Amino acid sequence: EVQLVESGGGLVQPGGSLRLSCAASGFTFSTYWMNWVRQAPGKGLEWVANIEQDGSEKNYVDSVKGRFTISRDNAKNSLYLQMNSLRAEDTAVYYCTGGSGWDSDYWGQGTLVTVSS
Amino acid sequence: EIVLTQSPGTLSLSPGERATLSCRASQSVSSNYLAWYQQKPGQAPRLLIYDASSRATGIPDRFSGSGSGTDFTLTISRLEPEDFAVYYCQQCGSSPLTFGGGTKVEIK
Repeated sequence: EVQLVESGGGLVQPGGSLRLSCAASGFTFSTYWMNWVRQAPGKGLEWVANIEQDGSEKNYVDSVKGRFTISRDNAKNSLYLQMNSLRAEDTAVYYCTGGSGWDSDYWGQGTLVTVSS
Repeated sequence: EIVLTQSPGTLSLSPGERATLSCRASQSVSSNYLAWYQQKPGQAPRLLIYDASSRATGIPDRFSGSGSGTDFTLTISRLEPEDFAVYYCQQCGSSPLTFGGGTKVEIK
């Protein structure tokens, strides 16, 4: 059974940092593109970033460039998102997703990040 | 950046009826890399269709996708009670990947 389990969300003040993690199991993690997708409360989906199988290619939505860093550890079947200089508009549920291409075959249940003073 | 516009915003239908959802792109989607997802309240989205017309594993054949270039359609041939949800399209052909705003299919 495929599982993606996110962790690391929580309440953080504006300007603060948070590191999200995603533990993968049930599929060959090292052969999949991985993504972070977020959803603000009551809003639609927004793709945040993705990373190639070996970590050599990374892409970001403009609104997080220079603030967020996506990374992976294939030996640990884990995906990460380092989030710095957080803003109120980054408040959302963050989903870890994986796909053989750039689409998202598999989704985690999400972790909530709240940026507020 | 490719902007995806989904219509209608809300579709009110009865079980057994046919649902037709539209996704229009501001420019051509590379290699028709267009995906459709279903999201129910409190749940993560689920992949239904990829590459515009290929059904994902385990998706019933009442779901079908069509289209190319800038115009794409998700059709649900006969709505089942569990199909009432929000549906999103996503272009996966060029970075940044983008989602449409969603179509809510509600019970009439």
